[in-house]
Amino acid sequence: LAKTTQPISMDSYEGQEVNITCSHNNIATNDYITWYQQFPSQGPRFIIQGYKTKVTNEVASLFIPADRKSSTLSLPRVSLSDTAVYYCLVGPMNRDDKIIFGKGTRLHILP
Amino acid sequence: GAVVSQHPSWVICKSGTSVKIECRSLDFQATTMFWYRQFPKQSLMLMATSNEGSKATYEQGVEKDKFLINHASLTLSTLTVTSAHPEDSSFYICSVLPGRNSYEQYFGPGTRLTVT
Repeated sequence: LAKTTQPISMDSYEGQEVNITCSHNNIATNDYITWYQQFPSQGPRFIIQGYKTKVTNEVASLFIPADRKSSTLSLPRVSLSDTAVYYCLVGPMNRDDKIIFGKGTRLHILP
Repeated sequence: GAVVSQHPSWVICKSGTSVKIECRSLDFQATTMFWYRQFPKQSLMLMATSNEGSKATYEQGVEKDKFLINHASLTLSTLTVTSAHPEDSSFYICSVLPGRNSYEQYFGPGTRLTVT
């Protein structure tokens, strides 16, 4: 499994766009990039997943450069309720592969 | 996405007793469920993979005789913490795997266990 590196914590203000970058220099050809969000005392929630270029859904966008050695989760116009821990995971899509969570990024949104 | 519940949401027990935590997949038949443990301010740690109708697969360092997993049906997996000790106090989370993609798991709300 490719090792990921993310900032330990970030602060931002309501209404701002927040970008969280994840480094995964050893990403393999068949690896996908997945982001989860976890609020305190809750289970993680799937946010977005991608392989290359850009993926967008109703919650976030995921930007992946051509070399795929990093990825950026973009949260548009954050609110206080976006305060959470965000995990970047990299691995193959096989059903039998287990997920190993890294340390994640603790995002704190300020009023 | 799949809806996953856990029961209880929190439990306090005395040292030496056993505690059972249930994980239910409410709208999906899950042949595979995962159990994680999370200590305060730390990331999730995979404990075991629960397979319906067969023995669970435990991660290295997780005592299978202490953390008993039973996946007797396609909608229910249970984790029993036997002879609990204060160091077992943690947040226990289960997840289900609805599709072919192992990275799109749906997690339960978690169970907070406190051992006194």
